Amino acid sequence: GQNIDQPTEMTATEGAIVQINCTYQTSGFNGLFWYQQHAGEAPTFLSYNVLDGLEEKGRFSSFLSRSKGYSYLLLKELQMKDSASYLCAVLDSNYQLIWGAGTKLIIKP
Amino acid sequence: EADIYQTPRYLVIGTGKKITLECSQTMGHDKMYWYQQDPGMELHLIHYSYGVNSTEKGDLSSESTVSRIRTEHFPLTLESARPSHTSQYLCASSEGAGDAGELFFGEGSRLTVL
Repeated sequence: GQNIDQPTEMTATEGAIVQINCTYQTSGFNGLFWYQQHAGEAPTFLSYNVLDGLEEKGRFSSFLSRSKGYSYLLLKELQMKDSASYLCAVLDSNYQLIWGAGTKLIIKP
Repeated sequence: EADIYQTPRYLVIGTGKKITLECSQTMGHDKMYWYQQDPGMELHLIHYSYGVNSTEKGDLSSESTVSRIRTEHFPLTLESARPSHTSQYLCASSEGAGDAGELFFGEGSRLTVL
């Protein structure tokens, strides 16, 4: 079967750096997405990786290793507003999105 | 900026009622989706459409139906609601080459069936 694994919850301190990991086992691969979802709100797009390597976008970076079935989202200079769930999703060979359950990130002052 | 709207945001109804969750987008996107999401759980695709008069069922078995008569409108209907339908329903749209486009989500419709 297809599977996306992410930690359920992580805690970090304001101003620090946190890395949220995502491992996947899917039938084929056509890209990996990261979305941010604040409590009670809709998910919003953060990044898309289809080639190996690091993509940087401001305070957020996303890394992909296709051979390892692994990605991470790196958040720098954490702010209280970064408290949210972070969803990893993989586009499989049929171009269907397979979603992880999300990682709830708690930022403490 | 995304312009995709869902109504109602919150709905509490009794078992056996028929309900329609509305979803509209003003971005001209061909692809639209309905997801179901329970707290702390992954999103499950229940229906999708790649254009007018095109609808497909997703990976989650659902007793709901959808229609796509106009590009901007993708309503989801439950003919007879049951407590097991209690969940958050998220509508999304995308415009991307090769189905790899970013999804734009509505605010969601939280349904409670008593």
